[in-house]
Amino acid sequence: EVQLLESGGGLVQPGGSLRLSCAASGFTFTNYAMNWVRQAPGKGLDWVSGISGSGSNAYYADSVKGRFTISRDNSKNTVYLQMNNLRADDTAEYYCAKAFGVVPTYYHMDVWGKGTTVTVSS
Amino acid sequence: DIQMTQSPSSLSASVGDRVTITCQASQDIGKYLNWYQQKPGKAPKVLIYDASKLETGVPSRFSGSGSGTHFTFTISSLQPEDISTYYCQQSGNLPLTFGGGTKVEIK
Repeated sequence: EVQLLESGGGLVQPGGSLRLSCAASGFTFTNYAMNWVRQAPGKGLDWVSGISGSGSNAYYADSVKGRFTISRDNSKNTVYLQMNNLRADDTAEYYCAKAFGVVPTYYHMDVWGKGTTVTVSS
Repeated sequence: DIQMTQSPSSLSASVGDRVTITCQASQDIGKYLNWYQQKPGKAPKVLIYDASKLETGVPSRFSGSGSGTHFTFTISSLQPEDISTYYCQQSGNLPLTFGGGTKVEIK
């Protein structure tokens, strides 16, 4: 069964850091790009970052550029999101989503994890 | 960035009704438009990709059409289990962007 399982969310103070993980199973991980999509409480979906299947290309929304870093370990079938200098408006449910192809563009997100909650508050 | 304008933001319809949601892109995205369904407290699920292709396992009452900048999503006969929020999303350019969502309720 194709599955994504996020972890690493929690409560953090403004300016703090968190690292999210997304463990994948049931498919050939290196063949697919991976994305992080977030949803603030009561709001819509917001793409955060994507990474190519090889890990050689990473992409970011302007709102997180310079603060967040996406990476992947294809030997562990895991994608990460390192989040630094967190702000209150980063508070959201963070979903890991598999792209249908090797790059984030041109493909839909066909498998989603259940999400992990990040709360930024003092 | 490509802006996705989705309408309406909410609608109420009766079981069996035909429901239509539209999504307009701020620039040409070709066929690269996807539709997702999200139920409360759950992750999104893709229903339609590449504007009109039905994801495996999705009921045929769901359909999509359009290209370029104007797209339409239709539920041909609304069922109680279709109560959800629906989002369009363009995958033609980075950053990937979503419409604001349409909350569908039963009248």
